[in-house]
Amino acid sequence: KQEVTQIPAALSVPEGENLVLNCSFTDSAIYNLQWFRQDPGKGLTSLLLIQSSQREQTSGRLNASLDKSSGRSTLYIAASQPGDSATYLCAVRGRQLDDYKLSFGAGTTVTVRA
Amino acid sequence: DTGVSQNPRHKITKRGQNVTFRCDPISEHNRLYWYRQTLGQGPEFLTYFQNEAQLEKSRLLSDRFSAERPKGSFSTLEIQRTEQGDSAMYLCASSYRLDRTQYFGPGTRLTVL
Repeated sequence: KQEVTQIPAALSVPEGENLVLNCSFTDSAIYNLQWFRQDPGKGLTSLLLIQSSQREQTSGRLNASLDKSSGRSTLYIAASQPGDSATYLCAVRGRQLDDYKLSFGAGTTVTVRA
Repeated sequence: DTGVSQNPRHKITKRGQNVTFRCDPISEHNRLYWYRQTLGQGPEFLTYFQNEAQLEKSRLLSDRFSAERPKGSFSTLEIQRTEQGDSAMYLCASSYRLDRTQYFGPGTRLTVL
């Protein structure tokens, strides 16, 4: 069974500092990995999707890397802003043809102090 | 593209009552997923539909839970004889292909008293 771990569980930084969020997974046979953002009491917003053949994806101030062999992904957020305060979740999809689900970590809750 | 919508957004019910939630996926997405999220945890997979066919069900989906997707459009999730442990956020997602982004709705927050 795929286990996804996110460390740290919470992070507080001053505005302008770069954020580094870590995600690890136990089974390296994944199809893809997604990073999501969740605001309190809300649904999930997809940030980046990395296919298993890719090493990284970038969107604006966000960059996500994937090291499938070591079972790790890192989300970098440059020049953080108070509006980046949220919970960030990573999720992986297994490689098997009939594995449809995403397996999620518990998330990292980020607070950016003005 | 109006996004995934879910109704109701909040539901408060008494233990033992039945509840039904609805999910409307993005119109061209033929794949639909249900997840459950409890406080402080990531979402857990419940079930998956490809068009109207339910192809996978988690062991979390006990006999009290049933999901349908008639005609491959909207989906409903029904919980019978609710228990306090059913209190959670129920999230629906849809995708165009299995290898593409899953887009999530705002969720239905269920509170069982």
